[in-house]
Amino acid sequence: DAGVTQSPTHLIKTRGQQVTLRCSPKSGHDTVSWYQQALGQGPQFIFQYYEEEERQRGNFPDRFSGHQFPNYSSELNVNALLLGDSALYLCASSLGRSNEKLFFGSGTQLSVL
Amino acid sequence: AQSVTQLDSQVPVFEEAPVELRCNYSSSVSVYLFWYVQYPNQGLQLLLKYLSGSTLVKGINGFEAEFNKSQTSFHLRKPSVHISDTAEYFCAVNRDDKIIFGKGTRLHILP
Repeated sequence: DAGVTQSPTHLIKTRGQQVTLRCSPKSGHDTVSWYQQALGQGPQFIFQYYEEEERQRGNFPDRFSGHQFPNYSSELNVNALLLGDSALYLCASSLGRSNEKLFFGSGTQLSVL
Repeated sequence: AQSVTQLDSQVPVFEEAPVELRCNYSSSVSVYLFWYVQYPNQGLQLLLKYLSGSTLVKGINGFEAEFNKSQTSFHLRKPSVHISDTAEYFCAVNRDDKIIFGKGTRLHILP
């Protein structure tokens, strides 16, 4: 039973560029949430996707957008990258929008130079 | 606003000694509370959760936590730690259907 998988594991971009991160949820899960974890901080909620729509959103600018596909996988897009966007981006999956137990991937480490 | 405070950024403890990681939350409404663990270079894993019922919650790897409404606390405990418990521990609360995490406590196990 595959867990949550994220790609790529590491990424280096320069300021102003755009980036796309990918996530495949745990088998049987239909909900994907994205988190940003800056160095030395706890994960910060970006948004949640369910039934291919954004259902919840945290305090992040519109430069952060996402998508969910019919197979429940998801993408996180960040436009006009800033140095402060450097962080570990975590994807979590669950069933039916429940937050009672999130399954996390190992994350994508994004460095913006 | 509902938030989570983890009072210690790092906790050193000798192997086989007991440990307590502190967490306080601010809320005037019913809460769901969680502890997650993050091992080096990995994602987060749920240790335990409090939704309702018994205030003493047992989780995986020998950890337990006690929900204390009067103290607004949800401290995590383990009676005897092992070197494999070296990790970052995050307390979290459910707010408006979003999981809000604390800043984390790094547990250092000393030989």
